[in-house]
Amino acid sequence: AQTVTQSQPEMSVQEAETVTLSCTYDTSESNYYLFWYKQPPSRQMILVIRQEAYKQQNATENRFSVNFQKAAKSFSLKISDSQLGDTAMYFCAFMTVQGAQKLVFGQGTRLTINP
Amino acid sequence: DAGVIQSPRHEVTEMGQEVTLRCKPISGHNSLFWYRQTMMRGLELLIYFNNNVPIDDSGMPEDRFSAKMPNASFSTLKIQPSEPRDSAVYFCASSFGGTQETQYFGPGTRLLVL
Repeated sequence: AQTVTQSQPEMSVQEAETVTLSCTYDTSESNYYLFWYKQPPSRQMILVIRQEAYKQQNATENRFSVNFQKAAKSFSLKISDSQLGDTAMYFCAFMTVQGAQKLVFGQGTRLTINP
Repeated sequence: DAGVIQSPRHEVTEMGQEVTLRCKPISGHNSLFWYRQTMMRGLELLIYFNNNVPIDDSGMPEDRFSAKMPNASFSTLKIQPSEPRDSAVYFCASSFGGTQETQYFGPGTRLLVL
């Protein structure tokens, strides 16, 4: 069974700083997808970024980028020039290519951006 | 474009009552997912449908839970009878293509069973 671990329950940084959220996962699959979702206080789950395991290039979306280390089974999220609106819970998630279309989520990291 | 729509947004009910949660997926999406979020267990998949057919319901907690998808634009999750331990946020998500495409989530239904 796949597992996803987020080792940082909470993080706090000042506005405009760069912050990196950690995620590791465990799987025997060779092809899969990884995601970061954001959950602000409204509780809406919002997709931040997606990475296909077969792609060596790290995904980027504006101020958000990932550091995907397949051999180490690590998938960290970097937020550059952090903004107050980035305050949220961030969830790392895993999904296999074969079999069930099931997102397996980590426990989440609560990120606070301070003014 | 309208996203995934869920109703109600909040539900408070008493133990033993029937609860029905509703979901309208994004138009054109053919996979639909029900997740539950609790403090203790985090986010977990309850059931998912592909082309209106239930594919994996292994996450459904017990027989008190049932889900249906009578057509491509509507799904329900029913709890009968409800219990206090069912209190959680229930999310519906949809995706397109029947492959491992990105799942887009609705705003969730916050359920409180007294």
